[in-house]
Amino acid sequence: NAGVTQTPKFRVLKTGQSMTLLCAQDMNHEYMYWYRQDPGMGLRLIHYSVGEGTTAKGEVPDGYNVSRLKKQNFLLGLESAAPSQTSVYFCASSRHRTGVYEQYFGPGTRLTVT
Amino acid sequence: AQSVSQHNHHVILSEAASLELGCNYSYGGTVNLFWYVQYPGQHLQLLLKYFSGDPLVKGIKGFEAEFIKSKFSFNLRKPSVQWSDTAEYFCAVEPQDTGRRALTFGSGTRLQVQP
Repeated sequence: NAGVTQTPKFRVLKTGQSMTLLCAQDMNHEYMYWYRQDPGMGLRLIHYSVGEGTTAKGEVPDGYNVSRLKKQNFLLGLESAAPSQTSVYFCASSRHRTGVYEQYFGPGTRLTVT
Repeated sequence: AQSVSQHNHHVILSEAASLELGCNYSYGGTVNLFWYVQYPGQHLQLLLKYFSGDPLVKGIKGFEAEFIKSKFSFNLRKPSVQWSDTAEYFCAVEPQDTGRRALTFGSGTRLQVQP
């Protein structure tokens, strides 16, 4: 049981390049999330998904797109990277069970945009 | 929209000292509350959580937190810290009355424990 995994761990992009971050979970969780972590700002929600085929915007969605074609995978795309998107990206997943649940986090992807 | 404030950005303690990290949130309805810890180079791990019931919640590694509804607070405590507690600590809240199931995090408190 690997939990939540993220690919890649590190990436350097030039401004204007595109990339996709992959998140995978093997816990059969319904909910999945993408956060970014910036110094002094904690984690901020980018997009999330409440089930296969559904996505929704979070707090800071601009410049990102997501897809949830399979229940276990949640992809985060940057179509045209900007230096402001330099950050550490965390994926998380949780079970959809009323009242008692927690989010499980992946190890993070450190992205630098030059 | 809800928000979370962690007033202590950087705390330095000696081993065996007591710890209290503040967390205040703003939201008028019922919330779920969490404390996560991020050890250097690692991902976030859940320390403890509060959904309902006893406002004093015990978590892993000797941590506890108390929910004081009237103060909109959920402070984290540990009677005696160890060097291995050096990490960044995040408070997070989630309203119970929305369907979104997403957390709002505080900006974090970096704890440094000196041997």
